Amino acid sequence: DAGVIQSPRHEVTEMGQEVTLRCKPISGHNSLFWYRQTMMRGLELLIYFNNNVPIDDSGMPEDRFSAKMPNASFSTLKIQPSEPRDSAVYFCASSPGTWFTTNEKLFFGSGTQLSVL
Amino acid sequence: AQKVTQAQTEISVVEKEDVTLDCVYETRDTTYYLFWYKQPPSGELVFLIRRNSFDEQNEISGRYSWNFQKSTSSFNFTITASQVVDSAVYFCALTSPGGSSNTGKLIFGQGTTLQVKP
Repeated sequence: DAGVIQSPRHEVTEMGQEVTLRCKPISGHNSLFWYRQTMMRGLELLIYFNNNVPIDDSGMPEDRFSAKMPNASFSTLKIQPSEPRDSAVYFCASSPGTWFTTNEKLFFGSGTQLSVL
Repeated sequence: AQKVTQAQTEISVVEKEDVTLDCVYETRDTTYYLFWYKQPPSGELVFLIRRNSFDEQNEISGRYSWNFQKSTSSFNFTITASQVVDSAVYFCALTSPGGSSNTGKLIFGQGTTLQVKP
């Protein structure tokens, strides 16, 4: 299995530009998560999907952030417009089953290092 | 509210030393799960262990061992005979099954950076 695949690995953009991060979860996994990691705030859950449906988006910082999961094998996290304070590592993770009842381990992607200048 | 505290920000040891990483958690739920993840310099998060609240047996996996004590709300991680490859950031995390207190949040501690010197 290829694991959770994220792209791009690194993204450098200028303030105000739109940024789209992509994630392909492990095949057969029903739960997908987007996390953000910063030095100041550590690892924060942004949004959780189950069976392609957003279950909890309370961690999404503001309206500039949006996430979609059009099918079981693809998800995007979009920031529009981007700001320097959005600079962080963004992780996608997936898990089998309905995670909020099974609490199985999460499989993480390698992350996208985002730098907004 | 749930919380995970890893009081040790950084630990430095010399190879072959034993090292214990502390994790203290807070939750009002009676059913919950605890995890440890490793983040090596390459950046990805690697799962190490998952433990449910009803199983207080200590676990050993090779050089790794975990001590779960509900009485002190702790889930400590010990590496025996540390190696340079153990150098990483280690995260302790907590969650509870779906219900009023959880809709999927895996709460992470701030992490402990372990440096193992040759």
